[in-house]
Amino acid sequence: DSGVTQTPKHLITATGQRVTLRCSPRSGDLSVYWYQQSLDQGLQFLIQYYNGEERAKGNILERFSAQQFPDLHSELNLSSLELGDSALYFCASSPSTGANSPLHFGNGTRLTVT
Amino acid sequence: GENVEQHPSTLSVQEGDSAVIKCTYSDSASNYFPWYKQELGKRPQLIIDIRSNVGEKKDQRIAVTLNKTAKHFSLHITETQPEDSAVYFCAASPWYNNNDMRFGAGTRLTVKP
Repeated sequence: DSGVTQTPKHLITATGQRVTLRCSPRSGDLSVYWYQQSLDQGLQFLIQYYNGEERAKGNILERFSAQQFPDLHSELNLSSLELGDSALYFCASSPSTGANSPLHFGNGTRLTVT
Repeated sequence: GENVEQHPSTLSVQEGDSAVIKCTYSDSASNYFPWYKQELGKRPQLIIDIRSNVGEKKDQRIAVTLNKTAKHFSLHITETQPEDSAVYFCAASPWYNNNDMRFGAGTRLTVKP
């Protein structure tokens, strides 16, 4: 168990809908990252938050947004969903103590858009 | 930003043989290089990492080497076993944006019994 909690585990929804994915980082970790992994694809970096502030942005679509709350949990909002958004969405966290450190991944949320 | 390239995309070896996966990075400011193993349907898990102040690190059957001049690093697995079969990802992270970590595209390793 990595200590990173993601909910829900599975999500099935229709095109055009909006969903929210939730992530609780490991205790003490200030940074949260979101990655998208489509079938048999690599890990596509979406966005990073550090202590409530956006830190880095990757290939995140305008239809997607995220935030990190004061209690450090994060939410990824996906709207106007398309079939191609079906993927495994991972959240990861790290302590960001100043020296680069490994990311610890949650078990992911599998999103299926029908 | 950082760009990480990983080769090969697939690798098949016989049990007991060695496997080598190579990655190159573009940002000379990168100083942290972890490797992750992802089994089917599961989360990526850290298996080994190396920082830019060392050239090689070993943990039992797994080793990683780093060539800062050439901007490449490699994962070496010796005496491979069927349970080593998984997708392996390399990553690189620069010092100026703590944990702005970018991943390679992954290598699917199959170890045949």
